[in-house]
Amino acid sequence: DIVMTQSPLYLLVTPGEPASISCRSSQSLLQSNGYNYLDWYLQKPGQSPQLLIYLGSNRASGVPDRFSGSGSGTDFTLKISRVEAEDLGVYYCMRVLQTPITFGQGTRLEIK
Amino acid sequence: EVQLVESGGGLVRPGGSLKVSCAASGFTLSSHWMSWVRQAPGKGLEWVANINQDGSQKNYVDSVKGRFTISRDNAKSSLYLQMNSLRAEDTAVYYCVRENRPFDYWGQGTLVTVSS
Repeated sequence: DIVMTQSPLYLLVTPGEPASISCRSSQSLLQSNGYNYLDWYLQKPGQSPQLLIYLGSNRASGVPDRFSGSGSGTDFTLKISRVEAEDLGVYYCMRVLQTPITFGQGTRLEIK
Repeated sequence: EVQLVESGGGLVRPGGSLKVSCAASGFTLSSHWMSWVRQAPGKGLEWVANINQDGSQKNYVDSVKGRFTISRDNAKSSLYLQMNSLRAEDTAVYYCVRENRPFDYWGQGTLVTVSS
């Protein structure tokens, strides 16, 4: 199975400061159509996960532009340009193209 | 408005069975693959199973193969997960998820607790 590894697992960020989360796949997620099949989700406290970024770098509808996704192949990054208090929660990367679908371990972001 | 509402969770003894359901509304269920994703208390997300639009293709994570069965009734706009031979490690919140490449809508989840 393809293993997804996130780092760091914990982030403590001051509002207004940037944050970055890395996600590495044990196999390339780049397909012949040029798309990277890697998505990012945020689970806020007490809520269900919500989609942030799909196909590596596309923001989902309603997601603020301070969130961006980048990377290709096996290495991906989620960046928050200026963290806000509402961004706290656990961030997960996920690969989906073949089963079993797998998630990273999650990165907990807390606000100072 | 797309809504996914899970039900049927509860307390079950090890070795027992439980069937959880997901009522879909606000979209045409028959147009989408659907998944179940679970989250053990204080843990991360784990994909469990998915099913294609007409129910002819089903996939499972290895840890539930032979014990869980995913199914759907498009006429009733419902998704199901039949869970047999339950173990303590199956204790989790089970989320119903719409696949729109990516997973674009998630239900609120239903808690399944396996304990004696």
